[in-house]
Amino acid sequence: EAGVTQFPSHSVIEKGQTVTLRCDPISGHDNLYWYRRVMGKEIKFLLHFVKESKQDESGMPNNRFLAERTGGTYSTLKVQPAELEDSGVYFCASSQRGYNEKLFFGSGTQLSVL
Amino acid sequence: SQQGEEDPQALSIQEGENATMNCSYKTSINNLQWYRQNSGRGLVHLILIRSNEREKHSGRLRVTLDTSKKSSSLLITASRAADTASYFCATGGKLVFGKGTKLTVNP
Repeated sequence: EAGVTQFPSHSVIEKGQTVTLRCDPISGHDNLYWYRRVMGKEIKFLLHFVKESKQDESGMPNNRFLAERTGGTYSTLKVQPAELEDSGVYFCASSQRGYNEKLFFGSGTQLSVL
Repeated sequence: SQQGEEDPQALSIQEGENATMNCSYKTSINNLQWYRQNSGRGLVHLILIRSNEREKHSGRLRVTLDTSKKSSSLLITASRAADTASYFCATGGKLVFGKGTKLTVNP
């Protein structure tokens, strides 16, 4: 069984550019989460999808971040325009049932905004 | 907020020794989870302990939970070099993580 996959693994962009991160959850997992770790800080929750619906997007930093989950399958996280403070590792995770159960994480996308 | 805080921030031991990491959190919980992150990789779920459980084992891992003190500990016995990683506790439905404990096991 394939795990959670994220693409790209690394992205280096200039301030003001746009970047789109992609996450493919484990097949059959309705719940999909995005997290971010800025260097030296905690891993922080960004948002949670149940199928194609945003269940909780309270962690999204601002309106430069847009997450979508087309048809309840893969998800994209777009940052437009990117700022220096957006640099960090973006993790995607999925689970079958939702809260209070273990999550399966992807390897993350290392985003560097120069 | 339900925030896990791991202690110590870094731990260096010799292979074969035991490693103990602690986690404190702030509010009541349904369960607490421990994850491991190897360098450059995603987080891997290690163990979940529910609020009505006091201790749980999985292989060389032992987790305890003290809800009265709002704390948990992760014990890795007979550590190996491959255990070198960062370890995080997480609580809450959205999983609130701490900064983690960076464990180095020297061969």
